[in-house]
Amino acid sequence: QLQLQESGPGLVKPSETLSLTCTVSGGSISSSSYYWGWIRQPPGKGLEWIGSISYTGSTYYNPSLKSRVTISVDTSKNQFSLKLSSVTAADTAVYYCARQGGVGATGGSDYWGQGTLVTVSS
Amino acid sequence: QSALTQPASVSGSPGQSITISCSGTSSDVGRYNYVSWYQQHPGKAPKLMICDVSNRPSGVSNRFSGSKSGNTASLTISGLQAEDEADYYCSSYTSSTTLVFGGGTKLTVL
Repeated sequence: QLQLQESGPGLVKPSETLSLTCTVSGGSISSSSYYWGWIRQPPGKGLEWIGSISYTGSTYYNPSLKSRVTISVDTSKNQFSLKLSSVTAADTAVYYCARQGGVGATGGSDYWGQGTLVTVSS
Repeated sequence: QSALTQPASVSGSPGQSITISCSGTSSDVGRYNYVSWYQQHPGKAPKLMICDVSNRPSGVSNRFSGSKSGNTASLTISGLQAEDEADYYCSSYTSSTTLVFGGGTKLTVL
């Protein structure tokens, strides 16, 4: 059974960089059939796609976050990571990692991590 | 990119059918058959219920079905059950090679 687990600091100071890692277990991240994505959800609000990456490192980003986001993959560790720079309180959210099917991340996300709350506060 | 448009809330009684709409544009919902639907219970991660407009992943009840007409996709839940009470989100691939979600719909089972 595939499992995804987010890890990283739960508290980040304004203007600093948020860094999260998603560890994939029970399967390989190195599959051409899937992309690996980050999605966030501010408290009490809806879902927002942040971006996706293939195991080869091909990336797609949300245009509204693109200038601040970097997603990378480490196939040797079966992990992918998110960096979001210059954070503000508006970046406070539960951050999810997920597996996305389809070519170019066109498919649905069938496996999700449990989510991790990141609070931006001094 | 603008979020897809969903009704804020819908409700129905046990046993009834309800439909949740997801309105997009000719650059997303109307252009591609890459619409997905997710169910999210409070404090839980979203669960994929429908992908590629109308395909149900293994293990999802056949009470859930999806369709699309023009720029609007729909999720129908038949034979409503108390456990269906949750938030539902649609998402679509876009011509900008991005993904966009709807604002979410809260389903109340009366």
